[in-house]
Amino acid sequence: AQKVTQAQTEISVVEKEDVTLDCVYETRDTTYYLFWYKQPPSGELVFLIRRNSFDEQNEISGRYSWNFQKSTSSFNFTITASQVVDSAVYFCALSESIAGFQGAQKLVFGQGTRLTINP
Amino acid sequence: DTAVSQTPKYLVTQMGNDKSIKCEQNLGHDTMYWYKQDSKKFLKIMFSYNNKELIINETVPNRFSPKSPDKAHLNLHINSLELGDSAVYFCASRPQGAYYEQYFGPGTRLTVT
Repeated sequence: AQKVTQAQTEISVVEKEDVTLDCVYETRDTTYYLFWYKQPPSGELVFLIRRNSFDEQNEISGRYSWNFQKSTSSFNFTITASQVVDSAVYFCALSESIAGFQGAQKLVFGQGTRLTINP
Repeated sequence: DTAVSQTPKYLVTQMGNDKSIKCEQNLGHDTMYWYKQDSKKFLKIMFSYNNKELIINETVPNRFSPKSPDKAHLNLHINSLELGDSAVYFCASRPQGAYYEQYFGPGTRLTVT
């Protein structure tokens, strides 16, 4: 079965520090998709990024960057120059295909990492 | 123009009652989901419908019954509520095709007393 592990339960840093959130996954699918979601204190789930298993290019979006390494089954997320508004729970998720339904998938989530940015 | 909406946002009820949560999406997506987030923030899939057909039914007590009257709506009915049902329930939708992310509703916080 698919599994996602976010070993860091909580991280606390001071504003402007860089911080990396780890994500390790297990899958038997040859094609799969990875996602990061943010859940701020207000509670909604905000999509940040998706990555398919064929694309190992790192991606940068402003202060956010993602490092996908298939060899170590990891998809880590780095926030550069963190800000208080980055405080949230961050979830890594892996798609799992649904047998018998082409294109259908469900998300398997990691346990989440609570990130606190202190002023 | 909310993409995925849920009602109610908060639901407080007593043990043994029956309650429903409604979800609507105006994105034209084919697939809808219910997820449960427990007190430790763990998110787990419960059900999924694709064009009104049930395609995922995880190990969920049969007191929980999803209903999809059309592909834009997915409701969740819960019978005989128990204390352990207290959680945040998220509805989500996704276009057809494995590449796409899921769009989540704002969540419904259910508290059973």
